[in-house]
Amino acid sequence: RKEVEQDPGPFNVPEGATVAFNCTYSNSASQSFFWYRQDCRKEPKLLMSVYSSGNEDGRFTAQLNRASQYISLLIRDSKLSDSATYLCVVPARDNYGQNFVFGPGTRLSVLP
Amino acid sequence: DADVTQTPRNRITKTGKRIMLECSQTKGHDRMYWYRQDPGLGLRLIYYSFDVKDINKGEISDGYSVSRQAQAKFSLSLESAIPNQTALYFCATSDFLGTDTQYFGPGTRLTVL
Repeated sequence: RKEVEQDPGPFNVPEGATVAFNCTYSNSASQSFFWYRQDCRKEPKLLMSVYSSGNEDGRFTAQLNRASQYISLLIRDSKLSDSATYLCVVPARDNYGQNFVFGPGTRLSVLP
Repeated sequence: DADVTQTPRNRITKTGKRIMLECSQTKGHDRMYWYRQDPGLGLRLIYYSFDVKDINKGEISDGYSVSRQAQAKFSLSLESAIPNQTALYFCATSDFLGTDTQYFGPGTRLTVL
């Protein structure tokens, strides 16, 4: 099993729709998780951190299920500006546990 | 001004050439990272450094070397570039003061012919 796997996408949704992405991870000792957003040919930027069961920031909700080892990202009332690739990030299984593994990303296109 | 800068932003080079990518940061972070991104593969860690005297190999360090010249500077070198090193390269920093947030530079698009 890969360390981090994500819904392959792409997701094409109309404006105003609710969309959810899933991310599964293999390192059961992971304590912190992240969702980054990456626009085409640009650098990734932090969208949300998840340290406990979940986190909510406006239209964005991240939920963590430790038993099943997955994290989800829910976007409500999608905007055109939400179109991007969403990267799931989890701690790596290295000796220090201080590095992170990036998933391959899920691409979202919000259509007018 | 950007907190994490990378030079050059774009580079085309030939097989066998030595090339250096530079990264500078003004965030005062101790930790710096080099990643490469290939379509469909996500970001993969090449090297990382937790302070000036600390250098560690990442997942895909073969064919690369790094130098941490100062807290603010972390350079990545390709000693003899090959075509499969064509990729988008990102530098990142983090402070690990309870957040683990990584801050990325704008990226360097490298093409090896």
